[in-house]
Amino acid sequence: DIQMTQSPSSLSASVGDRVTIACQASQDITKHLNWYQQKPGKVPKLLIYDSSILETGVPSRFSGSGSGTDFTFTISSLQPEDIATYYCQQYDDLPYITFGGGTKVEIK
Amino acid sequence: EVQLVESGGGLVKPGGSLRLSCTASGLIFSNAWMTWVRQTPGKGLEWVGRIKSKVNGETTDYAAPVKGRFSISRDDSKNMVFLQMNSLKTEDTGVYYCTKDRPFTRGGVIVLWGQGTVVTVAS
Repeated sequence: DIQMTQSPSSLSASVGDRVTIACQASQDITKHLNWYQQKPGKVPKLLIYDSSILETGVPSRFSGSGSGTDFTFTISSLQPEDIATYYCQQYDDLPYITFGGGTKVEIK
Repeated sequence: EVQLVESGGGLVKPGGSLRLSCTASGLIFSNAWMTWVRQTPGKGLEWVGRIKSKVNGETTDYAAPVKGRFSISRDDSKNMVFLQMNSLKTEDTGVYYCTKDRPFTRGGVIVLWGQGTVVTVAS
């Protein structure tokens, strides 16, 4: 299985701050990486696919980049409604998709 | 509205069995490849397994931790997919989601999740 390592596991930032989350794959996954947002008590929601493509309807303050083994997810200006846990997920090794451990984002 | 609704979760003793169901609506179910994903306290989000459509042979694939214990089947006449879980272990405790990938792609991009059903394995 391809292992996905996310960092940090949690962070606290102020409204308006730029927030960055890293995700590293244990092997080359080209650009086959998604980012999901899970708010408390809710199901995960797809934000970004193919490493950097914003899902329809997702605010432009969210962005993703990277290829190969190293990927980054950014919230350009943190909003109160962005409080959630964010997960990366690879889909290079189908059907054996794997998720990162998650990053919990809180407001300082 | 396109949606997936799971049912069948509950409390079961280690070694026991449980059958989860997922009913789909608002989509052409017979063409859909359906996937189960779980969220456990120990491992977070984890892919469980997948069943392809009938035209693709209803082929199933399973994650290593559940292979040989879990099985996925489908009933296209009822727009339903099932997850039969046998020889349950405490580490199988979690929320089980029925999911569907974005259509007409190579797969792996989950765009539809059910609300989840809770499975608790405890004595």
